[in-house]
Amino acid sequence: EVQLVQSGAEVKKPGESLKISCKGSGYNFTSYWIGWVRQMPGKGLEWMGIIYPRDSDTKYSPSFQGQVTISADKSISTAYLQWSSLKASDTAMYYCARSPGRTNRFDYWGQGTLVTVSS
Amino acid sequence: EIVMTQSPATLSVSPGERATLSCRASQSVSSNLAWYQQKPGQSPRLLMYGASTRATGIPARFSGSGSGTEFTLTISSLQSEDFAVYYCQQYNNWPMYTFGQGTKLEIK
Repeated sequence: EVQLVQSGAEVKKPGESLKISCKGSGYNFTSYWIGWVRQMPGKGLEWMGIIYPRDSDTKYSPSFQGQVTISADKSISTAYLQWSSLKASDTAMYYCARSPGRTNRFDYWGQGTLVTVSS
Repeated sequence: EIVMTQSPATLSVSPGERATLSCRASQSVSSNLAWYQQKPGQSPRLLMYGASTRATGIPARFSGSGSGTEFTLTISSLQSEDFAVYYCQQYNNWPMYTFGQGTKLEIK
């Protein structure tokens, strides 16, 4: 069974750093892209970026380029999304999702990680 | 950036009736379009890809059509579990994927 299991909810202060994770199982982790999607409270889905764990080829939405870093450790089938300095506006639910390839849909989604940034 | 526009923002339909949701792209995305369903407190779930191919386990009452810039998701006979928010997504413009703003399907 394909599963993407994300790390738990986080509460952080503005200016702090954070790294959340997404662990894949039930499939060959290095053969699929992993994307990240933001959903701010009460809002829609926003595509942030995507990584190919086999070679760490990474693409970012211009809206998120320079704001976050996407990485992966194929040895433990895990992708990451990180911030070096959080802002209150980063408060959102973050989902990882699997894609079978370039120009392709997201066929499996993680359960989401809620990030709350508040002073 | 390709802008995806969904209409209507909210659709009120009675159980057992048909629902038709629309999605328009600002430029052609060929058939590289997916539909997702999201229920409150849950992750999005893939319903349709390639504009008209049902994902694994999706009931036949869901159908998709369209190509280029105009797309439609139809639910032929609404069940109680179908009331949710629906998003379209284009994946033609690699790597710049974009989602529509969503259509909330509510019980009339």
